[in-house]
Amino acid sequence: DTGVSQDPRHKITKRGQNVTFRCDPISEHNRLYWYRQTLGQGPEFLTYFQNEAQLEKSRLLSDRFSAERPKGSFSTLEIQRTEQGDSAMYLCASSWGLASDTQYFGPGTRLTVL
Amino acid sequence: GQQLNQSPQSMFIQEGEDVSMNCTSSSIFNTWLWYKQEPGEGPVLLIALYKAGELTSNGRLTAQFGITRKDSFLNISASIPSDVGIYFCAGRNAGNMLTFGGGTRLMVKP
Repeated sequence: DTGVSQDPRHKITKRGQNVTFRCDPISEHNRLYWYRQTLGQGPEFLTYFQNEAQLEKSRLLSDRFSAERPKGSFSTLEIQRTEQGDSAMYLCASSWGLASDTQYFGPGTRLTVL
Repeated sequence: GQQLNQSPQSMFIQEGEDVSMNCTSSSIFNTWLWYKQEPGEGPVLLIALYKAGELTSNGRLTAQFGITRKDSFLNISASIPSDVGIYFCAGRNAGNMLTFGGGTRLMVKP
């Protein structure tokens, strides 16, 4: 399978704990995106990378959130001191970075904060 | 955050019926995309539209990019049970992020 993969698929944590999610994009895609989706809503943009450079961050991305893409391949999203409001599906997408820039999504990581 | 206005919010139809859903925005988009999402999974791309007025088909699905660049619609012909899911429109402007609609939940009665 050469699609976008995410790990873990599900994460349950207690409030105040730190969590880290991983995304592996489609091979050779140079853009990687993170979105957050809460129940009954469409995904909302968090941040994106062009290769290893983080080029845009949403106001939704508070200081407790940090994302990296150290070698321009996989990416990690870390949430520190989790809060119940962080419970959501975290989606990763990747694209070629061409003018058309069609984004392909992974299966998501569902986070539940107790 | 900003979202596109997608309607209807849900539809419950009989197998074999045609379905139409649409998306409107107060902003112009350069690209419109339609995705389908099933429970516990990420959105799967159905159709991408890159030019105002463009009409594109993918099997039983047809989508159009509105002339004003502020709207798009998706039609599904002769619905089948596996069409069940949530359909999202998404728009992209000069930035690279996608702005999504609230989704249309489609239920098909066999």
